[in-house]
Amino acid sequence: NAGVTQTPKFQVLKTGQSMTLQCAQDMNHNSMYWYRQDPGMGLRLIYYSASEGTTDKGEVPNGYNVSRLNKREFSLRLESAAPSQTSVYFCASSWTASNQPQHFGDGTRLSIL
Amino acid sequence: ILNVEQSPQSLHVQEGDSTNFTCSFPSSNFYALHWYRWETAKSPEALFVMTLNGDEKKKGRISATLNTKEGYSYLYIKGSQPEDSATYLCAPRRADKLIFGTGTRLQVFP
Repeated sequence: NAGVTQTPKFQVLKTGQSMTLQCAQDMNHNSMYWYRQDPGMGLRLIYYSASEGTTDKGEVPNGYNVSRLNKREFSLRLESAAPSQTSVYFCASSWTASNQPQHFGDGTRLSIL
Repeated sequence: ILNVEQSPQSLHVQEGDSTNFTCSFPSSNFYALHWYRWETAKSPEALFVMTLNGDEKKKGRISATLNTKEGYSYLYIKGSQPEDSATYLCAPRRADKLIFGTGTRLQVFP
């Protein structure tokens, strides 16, 4: 059971480089999410997609773009990486109903020098 | 911005102790309250999703209660074990989104 798969697991970038984080889920979930985790802060929502073909901004969307490629895949792109984007990024998916839990990937640890 | 507070921030207990922690959130526009367990170097895993005032959920030694009118939820662990060591996150749902607290970090010593 793969669940939610994120690639890569680790990445080091230089300031100004671009990068796409990939996320795929095999649970046929409608909704997908991207979060970032920073020390001393809760998981913060970057972008989410309530269904295939739709995306919406979360709490901290600046500097990021997303693509819901199909029902399975939801990618996060950093166009011009900045040191402030050094973080651990988590992708999650769920059914849309409010009583359904989110299922998380293992995370991508991203360092920007 | 929805303000979610979890207390205490961290907790150290001996094996066999029972413990509890609190999640506070604004009670307006409530949809659901999620609890997650997050072990170091792993990803968060769902414990409970609670939707109704007075709801109580239980999974083994872990249980949770919900008060939507006053905006709080309690998580209880009975007879803590070292494998319960983790960060426990709560997240009220607002529309399509979860708003996560910063968590309570529990360490259980043998």
